Amino acid sequence: DTGVSQNPRHKITKRGQNVTFRCDPISEHNRLYWYRQTLGQGPEFLTYFQNEAQLEKSRLLSDRFSAERPKGSFSTLEIQRTEQGDSAMYLCASSNQGNPYEQYFGPGTRLTVT
Amino acid sequence: DAKTTQPPSMDCAEGRAANLPCNHSTISGNEYVYWYRQIHSQGPQYIIHGLKNNETNEMASLIITEDRKSSTLILPHATLRDTAVYYCIVRVEDYGQNFVFGPGTRLSVLP
Repeated sequence: DTGVSQNPRHKITKRGQNVTFRCDPISEHNRLYWYRQTLGQGPEFLTYFQNEAQLEKSRLLSDRFSAERPKGSFSTLEIQRTEQGDSAMYLCASSNQGNPYEQYFGPGTRLTVT
Repeated sequence: DAKTTQPPSMDCAEGRAANLPCNHSTISGNEYVYWYRQIHSQGPQYIIHGLKNNETNEMASLIITEDRKSSTLILPHATLRDTAVYYCIVRVEDYGQNFVFGPGTRLSVLP
């Protein structure tokens, strides 16, 4: 078990470009979450998957954001037409439905929009 | 989720107990108290959770007042590696699936 992994760890992009992040959860975990964290703040929930179904989306997830988990394993988060306000750390977490107390977080992808 | 209130920062001497308070005066009867921490440049890490009884694990102890309006996370012998932001969260056991993180308490363990 290597934990939750995220790629890339850092991404610098120009405003208006599209970016895609990948999250590989712990293999037996059927729940997957995306959070966003800005400097000095706690993580903010974006969206949640149970297996391949996207069950909840935050109001923070604008139309420019889309997340997928096509086979119930890894997930991608895409941001279209990036804006400077999208600069943040994007965190992925996974958990097992049998143990809902613990969410295991990855190291995050730091996005900088110039 | 009910809101929590934590001090923005605290210091603790290495080797001493670190006591991190959390107020959750509007907690509902079916909401648990969770603690996570986030070490610099890492994702948050689960520490402990409880409903109304005090809880202890290998990392920490959680003391919840009888009226459940506040709690204290205790790190019995703080080390420099415990320097982190500590988040107190209240949540129904498996409702909404996500955690609502506040700004937390930045604990600095000093040598």
